[in-house]
Amino acid sequence: AQTVTQSQPEMSVQEAETVTLSCTYDTSESDYYLFWYKQPPSRQMILVIRQEAYKQQNATENRFSVNFQKAAKSFSLKISDSQLGDAAMYFCAYRSASGIQGAQKLVFGQGTRLTINP
Amino acid sequence: GAGVSQSPSNKVTEKGKDVELRCDPISGHTALYWYRQSLGQGLEFLIYFQGNSAPDKSGLPSDRFSAERTGGSVSTLTIQRTQQEDSAVYLCASSPRQGASSGIPVSYEQYFGPGTRLTVT
Repeated sequence: AQTVTQSQPEMSVQEAETVTLSCTYDTSESDYYLFWYKQPPSRQMILVIRQEAYKQQNATENRFSVNFQKAAKSFSLKISDSQLGDAAMYFCAYRSASGIQGAQKLVFGQGTRLTINP
Repeated sequence: GAGVSQSPSNKVTEKGKDVELRCDPISGHTALYWYRQSLGQGLEFLIYFQGNSAPDKSGLPSDRFSAERTGGSVSTLTIQRTQQEDSAVYLCASSPRQGASSGIPVSYEQYFGPGTRLTVT
């Protein structure tokens, strides 16, 4: 079974600075997808960024980028120019690319609570 | 367009009572998922529906939990004889049909609702 580990329960950063959230995962599969979701106090899970394992190029979405290291099974999220609205819980998630029954679910890490200091 | 909606937003129930949680997926989405978010266990998969296929129930924690999806749209998660350990936020997500056979590129993004916070006293 796949597992996802986020080793930083809490992180804080000064507004306008850069912060990196860590995520590692364990899988025997070669094809899969990785995601970072943001969960503000409203509880709504919002997709921040996604990465296909077959792509070597790291995904970027505006101020958000990832460092995907497939061999190391590492998938960190970098937030540049942090804003107060970035404060939230951040979850790293894994999804198999397999079409077999049971493979479609997301497997989540434990989350990292990010605080932005003004 | 409208996103995934869930009701009620909050539910307080007494131990031993049955509860029903409702999820309205995004129109046209054929895949629907239920997850549970609790302090001790983090985010756990519960059940997955895809079109008319048999649901993947592998994440349901006990036979007190069941879910159905009527007409390929609205889903109801039912918890019978609730226990205090059932207290959690129950999240629903939906996504478009998976797979090339649909004629639509594989879309693996899951769109989440705001969740139902269940408190069992």
